[in-house]
Amino acid sequence: DVKVTQSSRYLVKRTGEKVFLECVQDMDHENMFWYRQDPGLGLRLIYFSYDVKMKEKGDIPEGYSVSREKKERFSLILESASTNQTSMYLCASSFRTEGEKLFFGSGTQLSVL
Amino acid sequence: AQSVTQLGSHVSVSEGALVLLRCNYSSSVPPYLFWYVQYPNQGLQLLLKYTSAATLVKGINGFEAEFKKSETSFHLTKPSAHMSDAAEYFCAVSDHGGNNRLAFGKGNQVVVIP
Repeated sequence: DVKVTQSSRYLVKRTGEKVFLECVQDMDHENMFWYRQDPGLGLRLIYFSYDVKMKEKGDIPEGYSVSREKKERFSLILESASTNQTSMYLCASSFRTEGEKLFFGSGTQLSVL
Repeated sequence: AQSVTQLGSHVSVSEGALVLLRCNYSSSVPPYLFWYVQYPNQGLQLLLKYTSAATLVKGINGFEAEFKKSETSFHLTKPSAHMSDAAEYFCAVSDHGGNNRLAFGKGNQVVVIP
C-alpha cells in the first residue's frame, strides 16, 4: 500500500522556535509537496520539489524553507515560528509521469503559542 | 493562472438524497480537473479526474463528475448519499504544463443527515 508518513500528528511550539516537519514516502515518487490547510481557505502550496536537492516556491513560501537530501524525504522548516503559522500541514507526493495524482499524508496539526 | 471556485463551505444532505457539489474553473488552456476527498483525520485522496477524454468521469464510491466547457464547470454528483460520504471535498485544476501543480478550491464540508 502506498504510504506518505508525516512524523507528528500534533505539534505544539513556542513563538520564535525553529520547527522541522518531516515527511517520508515509500513509493519512489519524484515529486513531493508541502501544503497548509486552513478552514475556509482550502489548501495552499508552500513549496514543492521535483527531484533530490531541487525545490520550487509555491504560492505562500514566506517564512518557510525546505530540504530534500534524499528522494524519499522532504522536510519543511519554519525558521522562526509565528502564531500565524498555526495550521494543518499536509505533505504529498506523486510520480513525475502522473503528477496530478497526489498521495497525501494524514497531516500535522501545528500550534504555535 | 488557473483557479477553481467552490461555493458554500458546508453542504447538508439527507441520507439517500442526491449529492451535488459545484465547481467552476478558470484556465487559459484546456484544463485537467480533479476532485479529492478528505475523510476525518486523514489526508486527501483522489476521487476522480478529467484529462480531456470522456466528459463524464466516474470515480470511486459511486461519485461522478461532468466536464462542461461551455459552463466552465466540473460538478460532482452522487445519486444517493450514504453516511460514509461525510467528508470534505476539494475541486482542483491543473494546466498540465509539466509542473504538476494543482490549484485547490476552498472545499465543501458535506454533512449527511440520517
